[in-house]
Order: sequence, then structure tokens, then C-alpha cells
Amino acid sequence: RKEVEQDPGPFNVPEGATVAFNCTYSNSASQSFFWYRQDCRKEPKLLMSVYSSGNEDGRFTAQLNRASQYISLLIRDSKLSDSATYLCVVNTDTGRRALTFGSGTRLQVQP
Amino acid sequence: EPEVTQTPSHQVTQMGQEVILRCVPISNHLYFYWYRQILGQKVEFLVSFYNNEISEKSEIFDDQFSVERPDGSNFTLKIRSTKLEDSAMYFCASSGDPIREQYFGPGTRLTVT
Repeated sequence: RKEVEQDPGPFNVPEGATVAFNCTYSNSASQSFFWYRQDCRKEPKLLMSVYSSGNEDGRFTAQLNRASQYISLLIRDSKLSDSATYLCVVNTDTGRRALTFGSGTRLQVQP
Repeated sequence: EPEVTQTPSHQVTQMGQEVILRCVPISNHLYFYWYRQILGQKVEFLVSFYNNEISEKSEIFDDQFSVERPDGSNFTLKIRSTKLEDSAMYFCASSGDPIREQYFGPGTRLTVT
């Protein structure tokens, strides 16, 4: 089983749509969870951290279910500028400081 | 807003040559990292560095690789004898806390010919 697993997409949605991405992680000792976005050939940029039961930032809502080892990201009212690859990222605090990345889910928002 | 910077943005080198990739982490951060991303693949961890020593390294980070913090601001990744398969985007990252967010630089695209 992959350490962090995501649906690769692509998700093609019209502007204004609501879209949800899912992610599962294999290590139950994982402590910190993040969503990053990555534009083509650019660096990963932190979108939001996901702590405890989840959090919201404007149009973005992240949820964490530790029992199911599942993280989600919901984007409401999609904009053209949301088109990117969304990376589910996990930090397992067992002395490791490395981030483990999923392969990413590609989103294409269309006019 | 503070940011991680990296130089050069693109480096082309011949197989067997040594390369040094440079990074300037965010100034008050204490934890530094190198990651790489081969074209079309996911981001992979190489090494973490804290208090002037390597904290952790992946199986990718073999004897051909080394890291150094030569002064108070720079953090470097050296590849001693590059191979074709070292061609990738190399990202530096830094964080203020080992289990919190890491902030990435814009990357160095390394092409080994």
C-alpha cells in the first residue's frame, strides 16, 4: 500500500463548481497533514494545514478522519486560478521530519 | 513575506561532473530539507538538516550526495558525480518546527547530459 494515496484525476470542472479531493495515508502514527498546490513545473506551495478535526480557509475546507486515515479537501466556487495539482502531504512524527507526498490530483477549472 | 530562494534556477551538466545547488532558507527557520521531483513523478524526500548535522536521509541520498551549511544563510546540496538519473527538479525547504509546515523554494532544474 502506498504511504499517501490520491486519485490522480484529472478533475475537469466548470467555474463555480464544488470539487472534493480525497487522500488516504497508511501510517497510523502520522501526526501532521497538509494540502499543497503545485502549478506546472513550480514548487509546492502550502495551501492549508489540517489539524485535529479539520479547518476552513475561505473557499477551502480540509477534513481529517484519523480512524479511517483519510483526509479530504473541498473547494467551493472554483476559479480558473484554482487549476493546479493538489498534493496531499503527511508528516509522520516518529523522529522523522520528512514530508511524504502523494502523487497529486490534477484539477482543471474550465470557463 | 519571507521566502526560500534557490540558485541557479537551471543547471545543465555532463555526466560525472560535480554540481552544487544553493539555497537560502527563511531566516528564522532552523530545519532545512532537500527534496527532488523527477519529471512526471511525485516529490521525494532526500535529506533533513538541523543543528549543523543531517537528521535523516532517504535511500536516494547515497554517498554521491552531501549537504552543508557553509555560513549563516546558505544551505547547499552537492552531487559529487552526476548520473543521467539525477536529472530532476531539486527543491529546498525550511521550517521553524520539525512537524509543522515546510516552505519550498522555487527549485533548481538539473539536467544531466
